[in-house]
Amino acid sequence: SAVISQKPSRDICQRGTSLTIQCQVDSQVTMMFWYRQQPGQSLTLIATANQGSEATYESGFVIDKFPISRPNLTFSTLTVSNMSPEDSSIYLCSGRRGGATNEKLFFGSGTQLSVL
Amino acid sequence: SQQGEEDPQALSIQEGENATMNCSYKTSINNLQWYRQNSGRGLVHLILIRSNEREKHSGRLRVTLDTSKKSSSLLITASRAADTASYFCATDGWAGSYQLTFGKGTKLSVIP
Repeated sequence: SAVISQKPSRDICQRGTSLTIQCQVDSQVTMMFWYRQQPGQSLTLIATANQGSEATYESGFVIDKFPISRPNLTFSTLTVSNMSPEDSSIYLCSGRRGGATNEKLFFGSGTQLSVL
Repeated sequence: SQQGEEDPQALSIQEGENATMNCSYKTSINNLQWYRQNSGRGLVHLILIRSNEREKHSGRLRVTLDTSKKSSSLLITASRAADTASYFCATDGWAGSYQLTFGKGTKLSVIP
């Protein structure tokens, strides 16, 4: 199985600040995704991280609020900018070995973010 | 967009009993997957069932798929306290979308 490591595992941040979450995957992973899981809710896809180019964002998510980088195949960052309490969620990095949806997703351990 | 909807939202059983969770979805799919999440951490893939399959087994897990009813069920037999977690179904899109859409999840508590 693919290995995905994500950090930090949790953080408590002040309103108006930004937090950058890092995700490292092994070379088996080709596609990388970022998800948000609000308290007690399901996962919502934020964006697909594209190597060397701008991420592909889902409806309701914008680059100014959630800038994503993927400078190489195995590393990506998600920044939560200008945070408000509504951004308190678990943020999950995930990856897949191929483009087909019959490939399973591997997940990092998540970043639990609390914004005061 | 389609979304899996699990029921029940929460389920509490005694150790040794079987746990059944259901998932319904809205549009045609290529495959359906089940994932497990412990205490709000990362999800772990459990099992995948393709649209042309009706039943699949993996250890103590049994998954069924009824495409005519657009529903799936996950059965965990002889449950253990360690099975306590949230379980999510995830569906893809028939039109070749590379994305998965996750349901709301069932929170399972297995009481020792």
